[in-house]
Amino acid sequence: GESVGLHLPTLSVQEGDNSIINCAYSNSASDYFIWYKQESGKGPQFIIDIRSNMDKRQGQRVTVLLNKTVKHLSLQIAATQPGDSAVYFCAENMMVAPLVFGKGTRLSVIA
Amino acid sequence: NAGVMQNPRHLVRRRGQEARLRCSPMKGHSHVYWYRQLPEEGLKFMVYLQKENIIDESGMPKERFSAEFPKEGPSILRIQQVVRGDSAAYFCASSPDRPPGELFFGEGSRLTVL
Repeated sequence: GESVGLHLPTLSVQEGDNSIINCAYSNSASDYFIWYKQESGKGPQFIIDIRSNMDKRQGQRVTVLLNKTVKHLSLQIAATQPGDSAVYFCAENMMVAPLVFGKGTRLSVIA
Repeated sequence: NAGVMQNPRHLVRRRGQEARLRCSPMKGHSHVYWYRQLPEEGLKFMVYLQKENIIDESGMPKERFSAEFPKEGPSILRIQQVVRGDSAAYFCASSPDRPPGELFFGEGSRLTVL
């Protein structure tokens, strides 16, 4: 299940289940969105991106959904594996402004 | 093709000293960004530079912090007279073009101020 602690919200998922990580973005004028994965002690790694003229994009085991009406972005991970355990950040660009990151969600995969 | 290289990976400074963090972007990338991350928090934008120019420094504290990206050599984030609140992970990223688009991140420099 999902819980909000003192710091990062945490999503706990059984290995093999699908994960859905949600993100509410701030700027209705943002036109590019991206998901990053950050493992402990490391830099963010690109997962998938989507432009505002799309509402869905699929990668390998991952899908990003964009709902511009409610300014909501989600990342779906199919058949979650222990290696997926990390903190996931959504980020948004508005035109040529640098990426603005959201707060992040910690995904914990239970074997 | 090496990724974004940051050094030092870990830096310990006493209050009042200076910290210099270096970042070499990926080959062919002329756009560099610095972000700061406190434990259990997201990345906060600090500054965006393109060779020899500061494009956006809206996230930089007004005092003690400066950044440069010279024609030759790495980008430098400089923090003068460090205070305990400067303790954080500082990430550098690069891109081949201006935003919007993917940023390629380094592994970060972790600054601890005693």
